[in-house]
Amino acid sequence: TQLLEQSPQFLSIQEGENLTVYCNSSSVFSSLQWYRQEPGEGPVLLVTVVTGGEVKKLKRLTFQFGDARKDSSLHITAAQPGDTGLYLCAANFGNEKLTFGTGTRLTIIP
Amino acid sequence: DTGVSQNPRHKITKRGQNVTFRCDPISEHNRLYWYRQTLGQGPEFLTYFQNEAQLEKSRLLSDRFSAERPKGSFSTLEIQRTEQGDSAMYLCASSLAGGFATEAFFGQGTRLTVV
Repeated sequence: TQLLEQSPQFLSIQEGENLTVYCNSSSVFSSLQWYRQEPGEGPVLLVTVVTGGEVKKLKRLTFQFGDARKDSSLHITAAQPGDTGLYLCAANFGNEKLTFGTGTRLTIIP
Repeated sequence: DTGVSQNPRHKITKRGQNVTFRCDPISEHNRLYWYRQTLGQGPEFLTYFQNEAQLEKSRLLSDRFSAERPKGSFSTLEIQRTEQGDSAMYLCASSLAGGFATEAFFGQGTRLTVV
């Protein structure tokens, strides 16, 4: 069974601070996606990473794919209240479906 | 709107009743997925289709659950004899086979409450 673990499970920080969320597995993934989900809505795709060591930036968000393709991180700089939400990583382990992590619930306090 | 569309958004049903949800994927996408999400958890895979063929079903999908995609376009998910444990958000997603990784785009979900 391929599992994705995300940490921390909950994170509450002040506006303007930086934060990092982690996604780890004991198995190699062929690709990994990060999603953001708001209450009562479906997940929204933020980014896809496919190459070990890859780094992608999306405004204040920086996504990194580990060299061994077993981990990824999401770093947010100068967090804003609009960043509040559930952040989910989802991996493709060489089959056709996405396996999701447990999620990190982020709250940014104004 | 050319995104994934799910109907209804909310469904409240009595235990023992049957319910059916519909998903309309992004038009050029040939893969369609169903996931279930309970409070505080990440989405769990239920099943997926490539065109009209159902290629994989999770062991989470009991005999009371059935999914179809008759013409390779929209899909339906039916739950028979609903139980309180079926209460969850049911999410549909679509992707393009052979596309960039497995980028799945989700609908807004159908929130099912069994009372």
